[in-house]
Amino acid sequence: SQQGEEDPQALSIQEGENATMNCSYKTSINNLQWYRQNSGRGLVHLILIRSNEREKHSGRLRVTLDTSKKSSSLLITASRAADTASYFCATLRSNSGYSTLTFGKGTMLLVSP
Amino acid sequence: DAGVIQSPRHEVTEMGQEVTLRCKPISGHDYLFWYRQTMMRGLELLIYFNNNVPIDDSGMPEDRFSAKMPNASFSTLKIQPSEPRDSAVYFCASRSDGGGFNEQFFGPGTRLTVL
Repeated sequence: SQQGEEDPQALSIQEGENATMNCSYKTSINNLQWYRQNSGRGLVHLILIRSNEREKHSGRLRVTLDTSKKSSSLLITASRAADTASYFCATLRSNSGYSTLTFGKGTMLLVSP
Repeated sequence: DAGVIQSPRHEVTEMGQEVTLRCKPISGHDYLFWYRQTMMRGLELLIYFNNNVPIDDSGMPEDRFSAKMPNASFSTLKIQPSEPRDSAVYFCASRSDGGGFNEQFFGPGTRLTVL
């Protein structure tokens, strides 16, 4: 079953604007990760936030995590056309000593020049 | 390191044929994952291995699907016989068990079309 659900499913903005994507999940997690997928390519890891962290930054990316609401957001500031891609959140859970990631269906971001 | 390597990149086959997808994980990684991606179902985890041992294959859709990891540097996903509904992009990913970061590295995928 899908653990993470991204919102919105699609987002269209102009270059220079900020893009915010949200992710909700259902069960307790060890950490939450965001991945990016360009059309026709594999997923690429962007940023990881641990369950005891509330906010994290990496370049133009800002991730927040609210474990009480079981939600996370990814903010891309000053977007560029090259940011056009699908963005996925993934939650890491441990079970019987092994840990796996469960991915949402993603948000498709289109940044127009 | 060249990253996760998958072959072939594209496969077109006819219904009923056997299909074998191949993956070479990043050297030193403990985990290897096989995913399937479709528009309808998103990214689904099919099976994963830890130190070459299959841990959870509950995501494998049917007995027609099988996966092996004979050594730390090679894994295969086989579909026999293939059906049109198996058409999808299949990704292999690997991950190291240490450091607490758990970042997964994905291969470029194999786009499978079953006619």
